[in-house]
Amino acid sequence: KNQVEQSPQSLIILEGKNCTLQCNYTVSPFSNLRWYKQDTGRGPVSLTIMTFSENTKSNGRYTATLDADTKQSSLHITASQLSDSASYICVVSAGYKLSFGAGTTVTVRA
Amino acid sequence: NAGVTQTPKFQVLKTGQSMTLQCAQDMNHNSMYWYRQDPGMGLRLIYYSASEGTTDKGEVPNGYNVSRLNKREFSLRLESAAPSQTSVYFCASSARGLGSGANVLTFGAGSRLTVL
Repeated sequence: KNQVEQSPQSLIILEGKNCTLQCNYTVSPFSNLRWYKQDTGRGPVSLTIMTFSENTKSNGRYTATLDADTKQSSLHITASQLSDSASYICVVSAGYKLSFGAGTTVTVRA
Repeated sequence: NAGVTQTPKFQVLKTGQSMTLQCAQDMNHNSMYWYRQDPGMGLRLIYYSASEGTTDKGEVPNGYNVSRLNKREFSLRLESAAPSQTSVYFCASSARGLGSGANVLTFGAGSRLTVL
C-alpha cells in the first residue's frame, strides 16, 4: 500500500481560478515533504520542500501547507495559468527513503 | 547548463534483448538515482549511487544493473528485458545523498521504454 495518497486523481479548472490539491501520508519517521511539478513528457521539478517545523511555504503562485500532526499537506495554486497544466507529485522523506505519491493531474482550460 | 541528460528518450525492445540507459549530470552532484514511473503509481527507486564508486539497491532492483562510471555518469542496464519492465525511467541527481536533509533532486526528462 502506498504510504503517500494524493487526491483528487485529476481535476479540471478554468484559467484564473484557484485550486487545492491534497496529500495524506503515513510515512514515518517524517523528515520533510516535497511537492514536485511534472509537465507532460518531462521529469519532475521541485516546487517546495518543508521540514517538520514549517507549516507554510510559497513559491510564486504555489503555496504548500503541512500539518505534521494529522500527516496532511496541501498545495494551493492561485490564479491558475495554462502553464500550470501538469501532474503534481507529493513526496515524503523518511530518513533514507523517499515515498512518492501517484500525483494529481491538473488541466487548466482557457 | 544541461542539468541531467538521459539517452535514449524512446526505445522499443523485444523480450530477452538487452540495453543500457545512459545518464549524465553536469552539476557536480555526488548522488545519482534511477527511478521508474508506471501509470497510477508513484516513482519507485531502482538503484542509487550515494557517491562515485558506490551503488546500492532501491525498492525494485530485480532485472537491472547499474554502473557509476565516474562522478558525472550513471548507467542502467537491462540484461534480458521483460514486458514488466515497460515503463518510463528517470535519472536524478542531488548534491547530497538521501538522508541528508532537504536535498533537492534534479530529474532528467525521462526515457520511455517499451518491451514487446
